[in-house]
Formats: sequence, structure tokens, C-alpha cells
Amino acid sequence: ETGVTQTPRHLVMGMTNKKSLKCEQHLGHNAMYWYKQSAKKPLELMFVYNFKEQTENNSVPSRFSPECPNSSHLFLHLHTLQPEDSALYLCASSQEYGENYGYTFGSGTRLTVV
Amino acid sequence: GQNIDQPTEMTATEGAIVQINCTYQTSGFNGLFWYQQHAGEAPTFLSYNVLDGLEEKGRFSSFLSRSKGYSYLLLKELQMKDSASYLCAVLDSNYQLIWGAGTKLIIKP
Repeated sequence: ETGVTQTPRHLVMGMTNKKSLKCEQHLGHNAMYWYKQSAKKPLELMFVYNFKEQTENNSVPSRFSPECPNSSHLFLHLHTLQPEDSALYLCASSQEYGENYGYTFGSGTRLTVV
Repeated sequence: GQNIDQPTEMTATEGAIVQINCTYQTSGFNGLFWYQQHAGEAPTFLSYNVLDGLEEKGRFSSFLSRSKGYSYLLLKELQMKDSASYLCAVLDSNYQLIWGAGTKLIIKP
């Protein structure tokens, strides 16, 4: 347990489904992140929230929709995904955004799109 | 463009020493991180270097040379539990983390 909890751990969904990934942290951190991790590729930053406000959206397709209702919770809503979206989705948090703070990661959601 | 290079995979023997290298080309530099990630688990923080030199933390040490755009992670007295992926990441001038693809370390008895 790292302090960042992600659910579900595994998800299989069809291309027409709608699902949501959840991330929760009670570390008192103010910044939260969504990353995509594909095999043998660098971590890809998707979204950043700082004090509940979205500060980064790295050209992510609109089929991924983030939501941050408060500084402890982060969601990633998924709809009409493609098979190439299959990957490990990691949530992370840090004390502040934009400084040299280490990130605390969740264990991720392994997503398979069929 | 920004780039982080590290070997894809390395193999070492239990009890030995292994050095994992990372070279980087980024827009500015505000520090370099090493993370460890066991299969199916969260990446966990190992070290942060912003000044040149060697930082030692138990069996793990991390070295940085900013002039050469180079870092390494040194693991001593290897244990089977050290089998994992090791991720190098650089904080650029915009305080964005640029990640390498990770080095998978396999420890053999």
C-alpha cells in the first residue's frame, strides 16, 4: 500500500462500453496525475490536476475524460476506446506541482480493450 | 526533442553489483529521479539527484554528471527481490518529468 489507491486493478471492456477508473490519496498532496504505461515505452503523462484544477492535457483523445471532484480523488472516464488504448493506467500524486517533489504512485489499473 | 536512454534489460547474479546507466537530453534540468517498479506494482521512489556526484542510500547509490547528461544507479549485494524495472526520469526546465522506458533487471541465483 503506497498511500495512493487505484480501482479496479484489472478491467476488460469492449470498444462500445463506458467505464471509469478511480484514484484516491489521503497523503495531503495537492497535485494528482494520470499516466499511461505501455510495454517497453516511457510513461506518458495524460492529465495533471493541481488544487483540483486541470493544468495539463497532453493532447489526449477525448475518449479519455478526467474528473477531479476534490484534491483527494481523481477519476478517468473511458468511452469508445480502441484496442491500442490497452495499457497500465497509473495515478500519482505529489505535494505540489511544478517542483522537484517525488511522486507517489498507485499500483495501476490494467486495462484491456477488446 | 527530449530523450532519455537506458538499457532495455540487464541480467546480474545474486550477491553481485550492477550499474544501470541513464543518459538524457532535455530542455533544461531540474533534477533526476530513479524509481523501482516490481511487476504489477506501483513505481516507488529510490533517489533524486540535482547536484553532481554520488548519493549513497544503503545498498543503492545514484550518480549524476550534469555536464555529460549522465546518471547511473548502482545496486550492491544484489538480492532476488531486486528483480524489477528501474525507471530514470528528468525534471526539465518547465518542471515536467521526462521518463525513460525503464530497465528490466533480472537477478539470477
